[in-house]
Amino acid sequence: DQQVKQNSPSLSVQEGRISILNCDYTNSMFDYFLWYKKYPAEGPTFLISISSIKDKNEDGRFTVFLNKSAKHLSLHIVPSQPGDSAVYFCAAASGTYKYIFGTGTRLKVLA
Amino acid sequence: GAVVSQHPSWVICKSGTSVKIECRSLDFQATTMFWYRQFPKQSLMLMATSNEGSKATYEQGVEKDKFLINHASLTLSTLTVTSAHPEDSSFYICSASGQGGVRVAFFGQGTRLTVV
Repeated sequence: DQQVKQNSPSLSVQEGRISILNCDYTNSMFDYFLWYKKYPAEGPTFLISISSIKDKNEDGRFTVFLNKSAKHLSLHIVPSQPGDSAVYFCAAASGTYKYIFGTGTRLKVLA
Repeated sequence: GAVVSQHPSWVICKSGTSVKIECRSLDFQATTMFWYRQFPKQSLMLMATSNEGSKATYEQGVEKDKFLINHASLTLSTLTVTSAHPEDSSFYICSASGQGGVRVAFFGQGTRLTVV
């Protein structure tokens, strides 16, 4: 049972445009959500997080939106840069540091 | 962000031998560490939760006698893959949390294990 899903395995975006990565979850007990960026053969790097009491959190070019009623969150990257090309994982947690990860979306930013 | 160091970054071992992977939090005390496994093109699957000074909690389907976890101090957790087999070949990643109540876990760089 996949509690956290990223339905798009890959995404290509032109440099300078907006990248939108989506994530859906099924467990209504999740109260904290995170996005990580990962390169091959490396550990994930933390990007941005959001608590369930908020619906938006912004950090520079990265914005995470949370829609609790739809059990959906998204990561917006604007403007997208070639260095943003990586695999992005969303993760969710309920009251602890124990994360459930999505399957990842490979973002490719075209120069 | 906080620094989590994992060692070694890659290891090749013979079938039947044991391999130890270390995970260290370098600039904070980690009350909890987590061990994940990632298969090619798949998600990170949580294997176990490691709490300092107590037994690890394993996820369903993970053999605790095969994957021994020790969290002897607030800065070090180890994962030992015992009697390794080729099917244990994978990318193992640790994460550490516990920095001032912040709910973000920081990950090590991962260990690529190849059993031949």
